[in-house]
Amino acid sequence: EIVMTQSPATLSVSPGEKATLSCRASQSVTNLAWYQQRPGQPPRLLIYGASTRATGIPARFSGSGSGTEFTLSISSLQSEDFAVYYCHQSNNWPYTFGQGTKLEIK
Amino acid sequence: EVQLVESGGGLVQPGGPLRLSCAASGFIFANYWMSWVRQAPGKGLEWVASIKEDGRDKYYVDSVKGRFTISRDNTKNSLSLQMNSLRAEDTAVYYCARAGPAPGTRDYWGQGTLVTVSS
Repeated sequence: EIVMTQSPATLSVSPGEKATLSCRASQSVTNLAWYQQRPGQPPRLLIYGASTRATGIPARFSGSGSGTEFTLSISSLQSEDFAVYYCHQSNNWPYTFGQGTKLEIK
Repeated sequence: EVQLVESGGGLVQPGGPLRLSCAASGFIFANYWMSWVRQAPGKGLEWVASIKEDGRDKYYVDSVKGRFTISRDNTKNSLSLQMNSLRAEDTAVYYCARAGPAPGTRDYWGQGTLVTVSS
């Protein structure tokens, strides 16, 4: 099983600033996605293939990385961006998620 | 408009069965992999099971193998999850999700149905 490890667990950032979230895979993956989950809502696909934005996702969201190290960057944070973010690998069964990073208002 | 609506959740005793359903609309159901993903209260996401478009290939997380069965009816645009021998650790919101633009991604999700396993 591929273990996905996210850091930090909680990130405090002020609105308008940039947030950088990290995800590490226990072995190399290519199918890496990022999801956003707001309270009481289902997850929302943000990024797939490590760096491709899903339909309708604002350009302030960007993904980068390869192999085992990945990053989600959110520039100029808006109020609606404060949520929990999960990375996810779908290279190998069982598919696995990271434990999540909670992005909170500083 | 793509819609996924789960039903069937509720309170069940340990060891008991429960069947979840997901009604799909707004897209050609038979053309998409479908999945169940769960989230225990206050916890993260866990992929549970996926089923291929024609229903022939199915995959499960180890913790539910032999207890849960994913199935689909493409004539009724319906996805199901039969859960047997339920345990307290199966308590979670169960989401139905449609395959997204890349392998293993999911671009549309239902609102989820809560399963509580308790005596």
